[in-house]
Amino acid sequence: SYVLAQPPSVSVAPGKTARITCGGNNIGSESVCWYQQKPGQAPALVIYFDSDRPSGIPERFSGSNSGNTATLTISRVEAGDEADYYCQLWDSSSDHLVFGGGTKLTVL
Amino acid sequence: EVHLVESGGGLVQPGRSLRLSCTASGFTFDDYAMHWVRLAPGKGLEWVSSISWNTGRILYADSVKGRFTISRDNAKNSLYLQMNSLRAEDTALYYCTKDEVAVANAGSRFVYWGQGTLVTVSS
Repeated sequence: SYVLAQPPSVSVAPGKTARITCGGNNIGSESVCWYQQKPGQAPALVIYFDSDRPSGIPERFSGSNSGNTATLTISRVEAGDEADYYCQLWDSSSDHLVFGGGTKLTVL
Repeated sequence: EVHLVESGGGLVQPGRSLRLSCTASGFTFDDYAMHWVRLAPGKGLEWVSSISWNTGRILYADSVKGRFTISRDNAKNSLYLQMNSLRAEDTALYYCTKDEVAVANAGSRFVYWGQGTLVTVSS
């Protein structure tokens, strides 16, 4: 089935920009979501349909998707953004919902 | 306000069974597909199963197909997961999630999650 590849970890200084990638075969033709999960909490949807933000999600969170890579960009990173981030899509060829392996974002 | 409350988790021996429940409130339950997603210790999120609004489309991850059965009772606003032949690798926090569509598809996304119920499979 479809495999989504994420880097295990990304580190960024406060105030800088973090970019978390999600690689997949022709992922640009799919609709990608992104979730943020902090320790002890349920995941929270931060991006859907590649680049749309649910209500309540800051504009600092943005998404893009093209070719073989989808990207979650977090601008002006804050300490509170430290979390695990997962990409997700629906694989219509297998009728499976797929999550990436997750990326731990560390704010230095 | 949407609420999803899971129950039924616990410690179970390998090969035994467990039934998880999820009680939903704050939305029209029978308008939406529902899913189970799990988080194993030290691992990432894994989709387990989905069921459409009218139970007409039921799907499973390969890792649980043939052992787990998802069901729903729209009259009781409840979602279930019957887990048989449990294995150590099924140990995880199991989340109930509400889809934003009636049938799982490319538009599937999870705004609302429960807090999860912990399943531990160990002898």
